[in-house]
Amino acid sequence: DVVMTQSPLSLPVTLGQPASISCRSSQSLVYSNGNTYLNWFQQRPGQSPRRLIYKVSNRDSGVPDRFSGSGSDTDFTLKISRVEAEDVGVYYCMQGTYWPLTFGGGTKVEIK
Amino acid sequence: EVQLVESGGDLGQPGGSLRLSCAASGFSFSSYSMSWVRRAPGKGLEWVANINPDGGEKHYVDSVKGRFTISRDNAKNSLYLQMNSLRVEDTAVYYCARGGPASGLDVWGQGTTVTVSS
Repeated sequence: DVVMTQSPLSLPVTLGQPASISCRSSQSLVYSNGNTYLNWFQQRPGQSPRRLIYKVSNRDSGVPDRFSGSGSDTDFTLKISRVEAEDVGVYYCMQGTYWPLTFGGGTKVEIK
Repeated sequence: EVQLVESGGDLGQPGGSLRLSCAASGFSFSSYSMSWVRRAPGKGLEWVANINPDGGEKHYVDSVKGRFTISRDNAKNSLYLQMNSLRVEDTAVYYCARGGPASGLDVWGQGTTVTVSS
């Protein structure tokens, strides 16, 4: 199975400051068609997960543009340009290139 | 409005069975792959199973193979997860999600809680 490793585990951030979460896969996520199926999800406390980013860098509808995804091959990053109070929660990366689909362990974003 | 509503979560006994349901609305259900994802207490998200649009192709995480069965009824816009031989470690909130590997999981339900305990 493809192992997804996120860091850090916990990320205390000051409001208005940037935040960055790393996600590394144990093998390349480039599919045979050239697409890279790497997604990012946000789970706020008490809520269901919500997809933010798909195929590395495509923002879902309604997702603020302060969220951005980047990376390639085995190394990916989610960035929040200026953290707001509503961004508190756990963030997960997930690969869809191989079966079984696998998630990273999660990064908890909290306000300092 | 696109919506997924899970039901069927309950307290189950080790070795017992439960059946989860997910009612879909607001989109063409029969055109989409569907998945189940769970989150155990104090842990992260874990993908459990996926079924393709016509129900002919199914995939499972190893820990549930042979015990869980994913199915769908496109006429009823419904997704199911039959859970047999339950284990304590199956305790989790179970989410129904639209999509699969290539499309991603773009719509999620509110979740239903399964607790396995004697």
